[in-house]
Amino acid sequence: NAGVTQTPKFQVLKTGQSMTLQCAQDMNHEYMSWYRQDPGMGLRLIHYSVGAGITDQGEVPNGYNVSRSTTEDFPLRLLSAAPSQTSVYFCASSYRNSPLHFGNGTRLTVT
Amino acid sequence: AQSVTQLDSQVPVFEEAPVELRCNYSSSVSVYLFWYVQYPNQGLQLLLKYLSGSTLVKGINGFEAEFNKSQTSFHLRKPSVHISDTAEYFCAGNSGGSNYKLTFGKGTLLTVNP
Repeated sequence: NAGVTQTPKFQVLKTGQSMTLQCAQDMNHEYMSWYRQDPGMGLRLIHYSVGAGITDQGEVPNGYNVSRSTTEDFPLRLLSAAPSQTSVYFCASSYRNSPLHFGNGTRLTVT
Repeated sequence: AQSVTQLDSQVPVFEEAPVELRCNYSSSVSVYLFWYVQYPNQGLQLLLKYLSGSTLVKGINGFEAEFNKSQTSFHLRKPSVHISDTAEYFCAGNSGGSNYKLTFGKGTLLTVNP
């Protein structure tokens, strides 16, 4: 049972480039979400989904897009990377009132 | 809106000493609270959760936390820490049933020294 899998683990982008951070879960969880972690800031919610075809914005959605075509996958897209998006990104999933299960993160650097 | 405040950004302690990591929350509705631990270069792992019922919650690795509604606190405690407890600890909460929309505190780095 793999849980929540995030790829890649590390990524370096130049300003203006685009990329997709992948997230997949094999627990049949309804809810999936993306957080970013910055030093001294804790984790902040970017986008979340309550099921396939349903997404909504969190606390810091600007510069990011998401879609949820299947229960298992919830990719996060950066359309035009900026240095302010340098961060560690965590994907998480949960089922109804169960606690969040986190992936191991993607460390992104934008130069 | 829910907010979560961790009162200490760093807590250094010696091995086998007791430790308390402090967390306060604000909410006007029912509250779910969590403590997560993050070891270096890893994701977050659930330590314990409070959903309802007993205000003293026991978690993994010998940690426990007490939900105090009058003081709006959810402090994490361990009577005797080990070197291996060195990690960053996050308090998180929500309001209502939406566990997928947690609000996190800024984290407390616990460093256990020999």
